[in-house]
Amino acid sequence: DTAVSQTPKYLVTQMGNDKSIKCEQNLGHDTMYWYKQDSKKFLKIMFSYNNKELIINETVPNRFSPKSPDKAHLNLHINSLELGDSAVYFCASSQPGSYNEQFFGPGTRLTVL
Amino acid sequence: AQTVTQSQPEMSVQEAETVTLSCTYDTSESDYYLFWYKQPPSRQMILVIRQEAYKQQNATENRFSVNFQKAAKSFSLKISDSQLGDAAMYFCAYRSAVGYGGSQGNLIFGKGTKLSVKP
Repeated sequence: DTAVSQTPKYLVTQMGNDKSIKCEQNLGHDTMYWYKQDSKKFLKIMFSYNNKELIINETVPNRFSPKSPDKAHLNLHINSLELGDSAVYFCASSQPGSYNEQFFGPGTRLTVL
Repeated sequence: AQTVTQSQPEMSVQEAETVTLSCTYDTSESDYYLFWYKQPPSRQMILVIRQEAYKQQNATENRFSVNFQKAAKSFSLKISDSQLGDAAMYFCAYRSAVGYGGSQGNLIFGKGTKLSVKP
């Protein structure tokens, strides 16, 4: 069973379009995250959700809107896509505990043309 | 704000040899966690090893071990008996032990070190 899954794994779209990336975790974790990995492989937090409440928004443009219909899902919706949005987007989840290890999804490679 | 620095963009090691990847971090916190993640070409992020700041003993996971120097804010990864499958990007990451409203904080990553393994 896949612990953290993302769909789609690849997404190619035109500038100006609106797209969504879905994330689901079957680990029963309380907290989910979205990270962006740019073309230089740098990973940076975008959002964090704890029990469906946003707790971190690291200066992400408001064209990006996370939506959490329930504890197991955290979707990322992006409006008016720009060339600079091309990146790999990772979803992750974790549970309170000593390490709070984050489990990552396989990533979604978004290409904006 | 916390920062993580990996000063080696690329490293190379001969198969069966040992290699050490460097990581330094900056924080004013006394309690935190440190991690090394591996990202092979498949791009899946895989946790290699983790260390709690309050533990003096260095973490070890099979061929992987760390040298944690809290005073120096250094957290290097040693890979022994390197294998071809070890070739990947390696990311050092920091996480505060203090979350928000009881939840966990996000990971702060270094820029990564690309490790090549020569047969």
